[in-house]
Amino acid sequence: AQSVTQLGSHVSVSEGALVLLRCNYSSSVPPYLFWYVQYPNQGLQLLLKYTTGATLVKGINGFEAEFKKSETSFHLTKPSAHMSDAAEYFCAVSKSLIAGGGADGLTFGKGTHLIIQP
Amino acid sequence: DTAVSQTPKYLVTQMGNDKSIKCEQNLGHDTMYWYKQDSKKFLKIMFSYNNKELIINETVPNRFSPKSPDKAHLNLHINSLELGDSAVYFCASSLPLAGGHYEQYFGPGTRLTVT
Repeated sequence: AQSVTQLGSHVSVSEGALVLLRCNYSSSVPPYLFWYVQYPNQGLQLLLKYTTGATLVKGINGFEAEFKKSETSFHLTKPSAHMSDAAEYFCAVSKSLIAGGGADGLTFGKGTHLIIQP
Repeated sequence: DTAVSQTPKYLVTQMGNDKSIKCEQNLGHDTMYWYKQDSKKFLKIMFSYNNKELIINETVPNRFSPKSPDKAHLNLHINSLELGDSAVYFCASSLPLAGGHYEQYFGPGTRLTVT
């Protein structure tokens, strides 16, 4: 079974400061990992994804994440926070059909609410 | 062009009623999903459909039934609505990636309020 743990349901940073949102996963097979962002009253938008290859992946809006297999982590970072980054962030893991069979969708973490202080 | 669309965006109804939420995707994807987001923002998959066949059915009440008239549509029917059904429901469709994985595209969500 897969699971995703996001440490910190709320993270508050000052505008211009580093953003670090933590995500740890468990999966019995090589995972594909995703970060989604949800702005208030909106749907989910893909920020970035890790599939295979380079472990440091860059996404939209200046975000990036690093896949660390030894730590089973996929933390999201941004060097300098902007007020427009205030939103809910979700880490998710998918299981390969080859590995498990069935399009069983994404398993999401519980989300981290990012607050940007002026 | 909206890739994944849902209607309605808001739905307020009374307990015991039957309602439907519609979803359409114009991306040509083969697989579509329904997710439920509860009041604590937790997202959980409910159903997925691949080429009009139900692939998984998580432990949701049988009052919920997905119906797919064609590959581009996956509607969600809910019978005998209960207070606990109040949530935001997201439709998604997926693009196959290498290795048997999928990248999912989400609709804007339907906020269902049962009174």
